[in-house]
Amino acid sequence: KAGVTQTPRYLIKTRGQQVTLSCSPISGHRSVSWYQQTPGQGLQFLFEYFSETQRNKGNFPGRFSGRQFSNSRSEMNVSTLELGDSALYLCASSANTATNEKLFFGSGTQLSVL
Amino acid sequence: EDKVVQSPLSLVVHEGDTVTLNCSYEVTNFRSLLWYKQEKKAPTFLFMLTSSGIEKKSGRLSSILDKKELFSILNITATQTGDSAVYLCAVERGGADGLTFGKGTHLIIQP
Repeated sequence: KAGVTQTPRYLIKTRGQQVTLSCSPISGHRSVSWYQQTPGQGLQFLFEYFSETQRNKGNFPGRFSGRQFSNSRSEMNVSTLELGDSALYLCASSANTATNEKLFFGSGTQLSVL
Repeated sequence: EDKVVQSPLSLVVHEGDTVTLNCSYEVTNFRSLLWYKQEKKAPTFLFMLTSSGIEKKSGRLSSILDKKELFSILNITATQTGDSAVYLCAVERGGADGLTFGKGTHLIIQP
């Protein structure tokens, strides 16, 4: 069974640009969550999608958005990039949306904003 | 504001030692506490704890939750170099609005 796949693995952008990150969950998993990880703040919850609907959202500005497709694949978009957006963006999938038990994480996309 | 605090932030021990990692929390509507191991990029699930005083065990790793004092510990006995990683504690609240993570404990096992 393939794990959670995130693309691209690395990305370098400049301030003001926008970026789209992709996440393919484990087959059969319908819930996809996104997290931002930085050395200073640790892992922070961005949002969660289930059946193409955003179910929950963390405390991030509107520049951060996402969507989920009918095959459960998810994308997140960051517009008007700032230096502080440099981080590891982790996607996680789960089969059970009632609990976060056994979230399966991908290896992340390392975003550097110059 | 919800808070998850891990200590120590970093720890260096020798192979064969036993380590105890700590996690304290203050959250509303607590549902569960989870431990993850992050070696390179992808955190991997270790334990999920929901009830006080019941130890969860997997090989040399064990964990317990105290819901009265609002903390959990993760024990690793007979440490090996492969245990070197960042150990993350996270708390789940009712309402399924994502996990609140601590900043992690960076554990280094020296041969």
